[in-house]
Amino acid sequence: EAEVAQSPRYKITEKSQAVAFWCDPISGHATLYWYRQILGQGPELLVQFQDESVVDDSQLPKDRFSAERLKGVDSTLKIQPAELGDSAMYLCASTQGGASYNEQFFGPGTRLTVL
Amino acid sequence: GQQVMQIPQYQHVQEGEDFTTYCNSSTTLSNIQWYKQRPGGHPVFLIQLVKSGEVKKQKRLTFQFGEAKKNSSLHITATQTTDVGTYFCAGRAGGTSYGKLTFGQGTILTVHP
Repeated sequence: EAEVAQSPRYKITEKSQAVAFWCDPISGHATLYWYRQILGQGPELLVQFQDESVVDDSQLPKDRFSAERLKGVDSTLKIQPAELGDSAMYLCASTQGGASYNEQFFGPGTRLTVL
Repeated sequence: GQQVMQIPQYQHVQEGEDFTTYCNSSTTLSNIQWYKQRPGGHPVFLIQLVKSGEVKKQKRLTFQFGEAKKNSSLHITATQTTDVGTYFCAGRAGGTSYGKLTFGQGTILTVHP
């Protein structure tokens, strides 16, 4: 069964350092999402891509976060510089086709700890 | 902005008891999805409701979408230890085909054998 791949699974960094997370969606899935999930809360959308284009990044802290999906396949989320409050699980998800009305398939996530 | 609230935050039941979680949106939704996240895992899609008043069943799970499309519920009959996890509703506002999902904070279900 096809799955969304993410790496690394765990990342520990010191504040002010740069970190990057990678996501490979299910093959053929045009829509890709990055979510942040703080412990005890639901996932919060950071950025949504349709192919290589950003369609929603209204909740992305653009002073320190950036995301790209250059070829419309895999994607990278970067934080620079990391802050203590960025400690969370970063989840990637994808959906089939262009419409976002389909179910989202989530990857295993990257758990970030900022010291 | 759109807010999605879930209650209760926690629910502890004995195996065999029923469980219900409720989801309320501050705005009318075009559709709502439900996800389950096992401890240490990632959210897994359960179902999507689209129509006003819609009711869907999956074995022991019953999902409802309110007539006004602003609320929803998930009911589990005769819980089992395998039902343990956090249940999230996620609502999508109408207006665009790219409308984002707004997740509730989830209901954590524990089942005592």
